Parts: sequence; structure tokens; C-alpha cells
Amino acid sequence: QSALTQPASVSGSPGQSITISCTGTSSDVGGYNYVSWYQQYPGKAPKLMISEVSNRPSGVPDRFSGSKSGNTASLTISGLQAEDEADYYCSSYISSSTLERVFGTGTKVTVL
Amino acid sequence: EVQLVESGGGLVQPGGSLRLSCAASGFTFTSYWMHWVRQSPGKGLVWVSRVNDDGSSTNYADSVKGRFTISRDNAKNTLYLQMNSLRAEDTAVYYCTRVGSGRANDYWGQGTLVTVSS
Repeated sequence: QSALTQPASVSGSPGQSITISCTGTSSDVGGYNYVSWYQQYPGKAPKLMISEVSNRPSGVPDRFSGSKSGNTASLTISGLQAEDEADYYCSSYISSSTLERVFGTGTKVTVL
Repeated sequence: EVQLVESGGGLVQPGGSLRLSCAASGFTFTSYWMHWVRQSPGKGLVWVSRVNDDGSSTNYADSVKGRFTISRDNAKNTLYLQMNSLRAEDTAVYYCTRVGSGRANDYWGQGTLVTVSS
């Protein structure tokens, strides 16, 4: 099972909106609403930003939102801020006899 | 406050063994499934293994199956990863994570670095 496909990098100016895509298959992203998104700063542990496609945990700013269409999930950051510059990973539950979780390839978000 | 604190990482020669530990606090450990996730230097996140809430069921990525063993001691609120027959490609930061609602990894430890090198 390969990793979910994300763009290597996305950039935007402060205040703009950006969207990160996450493409899988019908066995993972397309088959379940168990898609989550994680933010990771260099040298730090990942932090959960979105669960179950579009649920925002307590404390996550509402400028972060998630959606899904078919085999592709998306994370949108509205009103981009300097502190949003980080790596972002999607993840999905996967129906397999062995693998239970697959992560995306990761996207570096740069705030111009 | 939920806390996950990993320990046990270090430098080991190829073919060697290490046991990672993850001390959990701030939540009812016995109610949650747990994962190990690893990240090689400069690379992305990779799921390694899962244990259910009472330790009776486990699962592994193909890359570690037969070499790694996940376990937990619910009396000590501690998660373990026994790693045997280590290879250079196992070099990574290993994170202990809690599986919360919607099967998301809602809390992560700070990670422990495992380096496999001669």
C-alpha cells in the first residue's frame, strides 16, 4: 500500500486561502470517513488538526477546515497566518488485512 | 492533561534490539487503542503498529512484521515496542500516539530517536 498523494509544497500570502489535496483510493480515503490531518513544525511532534474528514478538535482555529470528494480529501486554511507555516500530513484508515493506517506524503506550507 | 512520554531510543548496531517505552498519563489508558508511528530523517510519517485497549489484539506494518512486537501494561499505563533484528532502514523518530474518536491519532508523544548504524 503506497502513501496517500499530497503536493510537495503549497504557498500563499498572509490572509489568503490555500487548499492541500490528499488523494487515495476506494480502500482508504474513498471508502471511509476516517480522514485526519496533522500539522508538524520542524523537530516537533505532529498535532491533530482535523478528524473524521471535517471535525475540528477543541483549540484548533476555525480557519482550518476539511472536506472530501470521492478518493480525494482536502484541507483548507483560510486567512493564512505566519504561524501556519509547517508540514501537513493527511491520514486515512485503510481496509487491509495488515495495514491499518496510511499517511500522506506530506505538504510543506510556506507563508510568503 | 494528556501526556505521552517515550523513552528507550538510542544507537544500536544492525541486527541488534531495543525496547521503546511510552508512559501515559492524564487519561484512562485502558480505554484507548494505541499506535506507534515512525518518521525517518527528512521523511514522512509511517504507521508501524497497533494494540487494542486490553492488549489482546495487535497489528503491524509489513516492513516490521516478525521483527517488532507491540504490547502494553495497563497496570503501569505503559506502551511498549520491542524491536529486534534492526536494520538501517529502521532509523527514525518513533512516536507513541493515542487513537481517539474517528480513529484519529489525537495525542502524540515527543518521540524517541532510534539510530541503527555500525
